[in-house]
Amino acid sequence: AQSVTQLGSHVSVSEGALVLLRCNYSSSVPPYLFWYVQYPNQGLQLLLKYTSAATLVKGINGFEAEFKKSETSFHLTKPSAHMSDAAEYFCAVSPNTGGFKTIFGAGTRLFVKA
Amino acid sequence: GAVVSQHPSRVICKSGTSVKIECRSLDFQATTMFWYRQFPKQSLMLMATSNEGSKATYEQGVEKDKFLINHASLTLSTLTVTSAHPEDSSFYICSATPLPRGGLTPEQYFGPGTRLTVT
Repeated sequence: AQSVTQLGSHVSVSEGALVLLRCNYSSSVPPYLFWYVQYPNQGLQLLLKYTSAATLVKGINGFEAEFKKSETSFHLTKPSAHMSDAAEYFCAVSPNTGGFKTIFGAGTRLFVKA
Repeated sequence: GAVVSQHPSRVICKSGTSVKIECRSLDFQATTMFWYRQFPKQSLMLMATSNEGSKATYEQGVEKDKFLINHASLTLSTLTVTSAHPEDSSFYICSATPLPRGGLTPEQYFGPGTRLTVT
């Protein structure tokens, strides 16, 4: 069984500050891991994905995430927040053994203060 | 590339009527499409997995007779909400997974969503 836990339903940072969104996963098989962003009344956009290659994954818009197997974590970071980063962020896990069924975390709303 | 469209983007219907939502992969073929429902300020809830040419697989608790899914081609899946009621009001999002191409990872490409309001 797979699951995803996102710590913190809301995160607030100042513009220019470090963004850290936490994600822990549980999977009985080696997983694929994803971060998606959702703006109001829109679908989801893929930020980045981990597919068992490099553990540090770089994505779009300056985001990156590090896969840490020992901690079963896949936290999302960005060195300097922009106002345009304010959105809902979802961590997701999918088995790499086929089926492609993806389980999403509850989401973290990022607020960026001027 | 990898664009998924949904139509309509918003729909308002009266209680008891049926509504069809289309999900299209515009520039790729999708063996598998997924339908999600999202309540305000909540995560996505997977409703069903749709495979081209076969019956959809519904998640536990989702009424297959109420949410009819058809995946008639490799680029089109439809979700029909039958006899809609106000509690069916929600944001419905589809996603599509491209045909496997040797090593391709199973990321999903999401449509922009359809806001259904049942009055």
